[in-house]
Amino acid sequence: AQSVTQPDIHITVSEGASLELRCNYSYGATPYLFWYVQSPGQGLQLLLKYFSGDTLVQGIKGFEAEFKRSQSSFNLRKPSVHWSDAAEYFCAVAGRGGGSNYKLTFGKGTLLTVNP
Amino acid sequence: NAGVMQNPRHLVRRRGQEARLRCSPMKGHSHVYWYRQLPEEGLKFMVYLQKENIIDESGMPKERFSAEFPKEGPSILRIQQVVRGDSAAYFCASSPQDGPYEQYFGPGTRLTVT
Repeated sequence: AQSVTQPDIHITVSEGASLELRCNYSYGATPYLFWYVQSPGQGLQLLLKYFSGDTLVQGIKGFEAEFKRSQSSFNLRKPSVHWSDAAEYFCAVAGRGGGSNYKLTFGKGTLLTVNP
Repeated sequence: NAGVMQNPRHLVRRRGQEARLRCSPMKGHSHVYWYRQLPEEGLKFMVYLQKENIIDESGMPKERFSAEFPKEGPSILRIQQVVRGDSAAYFCASSPQDGPYEQYFGPGTRLTVT
C-alpha cells in the first residue's frame, strides 16, 4: 500500500525567508504526486502536481516542487515566503495502476507559521 | 463558476442521531469523492461515486456510513447513529473525469458529536 510521510509537523519561518517542506512517499513505482494547501477552516487548494516529464514542477503562488526518484521525495519550495502563506500543507500521492489512481493518499500535513 | 459546495459547514449532533452531509460538485463534474480528516490525522479517502453509482467505497466504515450521488441533486454522505469518534471534518471533492486528475475540494463540513 502506498504511504506518504511529511517529517515536519510544524515549521516556523520569517517573512522573506526561503522555505522547503519535505515529503517522502512509499510506492512500488512512481506515483502521481500532489501538494495541497489548507487555510484555517477552508478546503484544500491544489498548489502543483507531477505526473511525468520535467522533475521540477512550477505551481501557483510562487511554489515549486522537485521530484527525486532516487530519494522517493517530492519536496515543496518557495524562495521568499509571504505572511499569507501561513497554512497547513499536505503532500499526496495516487497510484498509477490497478484502477485506483483517483484515490489520493495524504501525508499528515506540515503546519507553516510565518513570523513578521 | 461556483466551486464545490458543501453544507452545512458545521453540524452538531448528539450521540445516536443521524448526520446528513451534502456536496454539490463543480459544474460539469460528474465524479465525487469524500474524504475524512480526523484530529491529528491526514485526510483519508472514504468513497468515490459517479452519478447513481458507487465506484469504490473501500474507505468507508462497514457500518452506519453510506453515500449516494443521485441522478439529480447533491451527493449525500449519511452517518447513522453517530458516535463521538465520528467527530471530524468531512471533505468532498469533484473532478471532471476519473483518474489522477485534479480534484477540487469543497470547504468541508465539520461534524461535532456531543
